[in-house]
Amino acid sequence: AQSVAQPEDQVNVAEGNPLTVKCTYSVSGNPYLFWYVQYPNRGLQFLLKYITGDNLVKGSYGFEAEFNKSQTSFHLKKPSALVSDSALYFCAVRDMGANNLFFGTGTRLTVIP
Amino acid sequence: DGGITQSPKYLFRKEGQNVTLSCEQNLNHDAMYWYRQDPGQGLRLIYYSQIVNDFQKGDIAEGYSVSREKKESFPLTVTSAQKNPTAFYLCASSIEGGHSSYNEQFFGPGTRLTVL
Repeated sequence: AQSVAQPEDQVNVAEGNPLTVKCTYSVSGNPYLFWYVQYPNRGLQFLLKYITGDNLVKGSYGFEAEFNKSQTSFHLKKPSALVSDSALYFCAVRDMGANNLFFGTGTRLTVIP
Repeated sequence: DGGITQSPKYLFRKEGQNVTLSCEQNLNHDAMYWYRQDPGQGLRLIYYSQIVNDFQKGDIAEGYSVSREKKESFPLTVTSAQKNPTAFYLCASSIEGGHSSYNEQFFGPGTRLTVL
């Protein structure tokens, strides 16, 4: 069975500071991992994914994520937060061989000016 | 949200009525998906289709039905059997959706359904 945990419902960070949104996962095989962002009353937008290879993945809008197999984590990071980064962030996992994605419950990021 | 359209944006339904949510994509994607989003619960998969004329139940299919007669279209019907249909519904597509797929999904803008 596959599952995803986003332990923080809410993350607040000051503009210009680094941000981290946490994600841990559980799969039976090798995972495919994704981050999406959702702005109010909109669909989800793809940010980045980890399939294989380099553990540090770079994505859209200056975001990056680090795959850590030993800690089963895939935390989303950005060196310098913008107010426009304020949104709802979802981590998702797909177990190799599974038919579909499994989403976490989301983390609301608020960047304070 | 480019390439995937959902209509209507807002939908109101009386109890006991069936309603159909539209999802169209022009990305030439084989796979399409329907999710339901409720506050604090993330996205839950209702149905998905990997190819035309074929679809499978997701985690919460009860009270819902779908069809996939065309590659571009994957309408979702919320039936009167769905006991708590008020939610935000999201349609998505991906290039392909087989067992080995690592393709990201592209999402539509969503339909907010409210039962009066």
